[in-house]
Amino acid sequence: DAKTTQPNSMESNEEEPVHLPCNHSTISGTDYIHWYRQLPSQGPEYVIHGLTSNVNNRMASLAIAEDRKSSTLILHRATLRDAAVYYCILLGGSQGNLIFGKGTKLSVKP
Amino acid sequence: GAGVSQSPRYKVAKRGQDVALRCDPISGHVSLFWYQQALGQGPEFLTYFQNEAQLDKSGLPSDRFFAERPEGSVSTLKIQRTQQEDSAVYLCASSSSRKGAKEVFFGQGTRLTVV
Repeated sequence: DAKTTQPNSMESNEEEPVHLPCNHSTISGTDYIHWYRQLPSQGPEYVIHGLTSNVNNRMASLAIAEDRKSSTLILHRATLRDAAVYYCILLGGSQGNLIFGKGTKLSVKP
Repeated sequence: GAGVSQSPRYKVAKRGQDVALRCDPISGHVSLFWYQQALGQGPEFLTYFQNEAQLDKSGLPSDRFFAERPEGSVSTLKIQRTQQEDSAVYLCASSSSRKGAKEVFFGQGTRLTVV
C-alpha cells in the first residue's frame, strides 16, 4: 500500500485558514487521495477525496499537486469544532481498504 | 437514523469472557469494514465483507476474532476468551462500493475494556 506522510500536529487560530499537508511520493496512477478526520470520542468522518483535479465541498478544499506526489487539505475558516486528527489516505481505484497512519492532530485556538 | 450504528457503545468484559459487537451499516451498502483502534493510535483494518462474503480477514489478530454478516446487512464481530490486549475501540464502517472513488462512513465505535 502506498504510504503518506503528515506532520504530527499543527495549530491554528479560530477563523483563520488552515493548510494541512500530505506527502505521497509513491502514489500510483489509480490511487485516490482521501481525507478523513476524527473528533475526540467519535468515529472517523469523511472530509473529501480527489484523483487529479482540485476539489471543493462544503467542508473543505483539496489541492493536489500536478505530479500528485503531495496534496493539501484546506479549511477556509477554522472553528473550534474543527479540532481533530486529520488522516490523509490513499485508496486504490479498483479496490482497497482505508489504511490509517498517525494523522495530523489539529488544535484550534480561540 | 441514516448512519452506521454500533452497539453496545461501551462493553466491559472480564478476561476470558466472550463478547459480541454489533454493526448496522447504512441500508444498501454492500461493503462493510471492521477496524480496531487502540488508544492514541489510528484505526487498524481487521476485516472486510462484500455483501455476505468475507473477502478479506487479513487484519484479524488471532483466531479468537471472528466476524460474520450472514444476510449481507448486519454484522457481528465476536471475540472469544478476551484478553487485556483486546481493549480498544472497535469501529464499523460501510460504503456503497469498495472502489476508491467512494467515501466510507464510520460508526461511533464500541469501546471494549477487558479487566
